Amino acid sequence: AQSVAQPEDQVNVAEGNPLTVKCTYSVSGNPYLFWYVQYPNRGLQFLLKYITGDNLVKGSYGFEAEFNKSQTSFHLKKPSALVSDSALYFCAVSPQGSSASKIIFGSGTRLSIRP
Amino acid sequence: GAVVSQHPSWVICKSGTSVKIECRSLDFQATTMFWYRQFPKQSLMLMATSNEGSKATYEQGVEKDKFLINHASLTLSTLTVTSAHPEDSSFYICSASTGGLSNQPQHFGDGTRLSIL
Repeated sequence: AQSVAQPEDQVNVAEGNPLTVKCTYSVSGNPYLFWYVQYPNRGLQFLLKYITGDNLVKGSYGFEAEFNKSQTSFHLKKPSALVSDSALYFCAVSPQGSSASKIIFGSGTRLSIRP
Repeated sequence: GAVVSQHPSWVICKSGTSVKIECRSLDFQATTMFWYRQFPKQSLMLMATSNEGSKATYEQGVEKDKFLINHASLTLSTLTVTSAHPEDSSFYICSASTGGLSNQPQHFGDGTRLSIL
């Protein structure tokens, strides 16, 4: 079965330190990969996506993600965390060539940045 | 760009009433819209996919007569929770896609928190 795993329910980082939010997937073929962020009582906001090409993808708010095909991972990173980055982050995967309804969301990782 | 407006943000109503939630794409035409339900501290659960001018496609286990979806135009989809009961209380989120293809990001509304007393 196709799936997305976010192994950490919560990640705690001090402001100014680098952060990583992990995501691994199990999808046949070459999937499309996404990261979304959700603030309290809000919908999801698109951060970045990997379709093809360079394995390092840059997105909104200084975030980037690295696609690693051999490890089937797509970890979200930021060199220097801000308190305002505290939110719920979702990794999502879509099988290539499928409709958008086939997107699979991970369980989410709550990122907490302490001042 | 790609703004999706969802209304209302909060709804509190009595058991047995019907509640309509609107999802509008403000600056683009959304050929496909999605309705999700999110339980506390959980991920999104896709309820249904709606395409403009056609019947919605419901996910397994979602009652189509309970959750009526209408996608009458390229900018508006509505979800009506009919005869709502406390177990229908949840956070409902819509999203829109320009082409419905898997390589396009979805653009989400801010969600509707529904509380049934």
